[in-house]
Amino acid sequence: GDSVTQMEGPVTLSEEAFLTINCTYTATGYPSLFWYVQYPGEGLQLLLKATKADDKGSNKGFEATYRKETTSFHLEKGSVQVSDSAVYFCALNPGGSARQLTFGSGTQLTVLP
Amino acid sequence: DAGVTQSPTHLIKTRGQQVTLRCSPKSGHDTVSWYQQALGQGPQFIFQYYEEEERQRGNFPDRFSGHQFPNYSSELNVNALLLGDSALYLCASSRGLGSGNTIYFGEGSWLTVV
Repeated sequence: GDSVTQMEGPVTLSEEAFLTINCTYTATGYPSLFWYVQYPGEGLQLLLKATKADDKGSNKGFEATYRKETTSFHLEKGSVQVSDSAVYFCALNPGGSARQLTFGSGTQLTVLP
Repeated sequence: DAGVTQSPTHLIKTRGQQVTLRCSPKSGHDTVSWYQQALGQGPQFIFQYYEEEERQRGNFPDRFSGHQFPNYSSELNVNALLLGDSALYLCASSRGLGSGNTIYFGEGSWLTVV
């Protein structure tokens, strides 16, 4: 079945450091890929998405490129801020007759001043 | 423009009881899905409603049931509560069923079963 694997956390960085959170997926067909962020005590917010191979999603300085050859969708940011501290979830929507999101287990990011 | 709204935000139930959670989708959205998020885990898909019918269902027992109303709002019902049902229940909405459509989440309902 479909699955998403995220790098294990937690991840702790200093402010202005470079961030990479790895995400790989297993799916048949051509899924759409998403990154969601969850701040403490809140629901999920869509951070960015990509719907086909080689698409790059970007938002608030975060980027991720849909790599079909490596089945990956790694999240990157050049300079993190304290306010980026949250849990980040990679997710896929398999498409076709399946219309639900399959999530990874999440990566806790803490940015220290 | 109100986003996805859920109620109640927190509730405590006793094992064996029944619970109903409610969701209003984002304006213009007609598709509602429910997810269960256990502490420290990613959300797990429960089911999805479109045109007042259950369209997809995840790996959850029949104790979990739902409904969608003509105004697109939705309810999640859980019967015979177990301690393991304690979780954050997230409602999500989107426009239509396309896999690339953006899915918006509410802030969730925290259910504690004691």
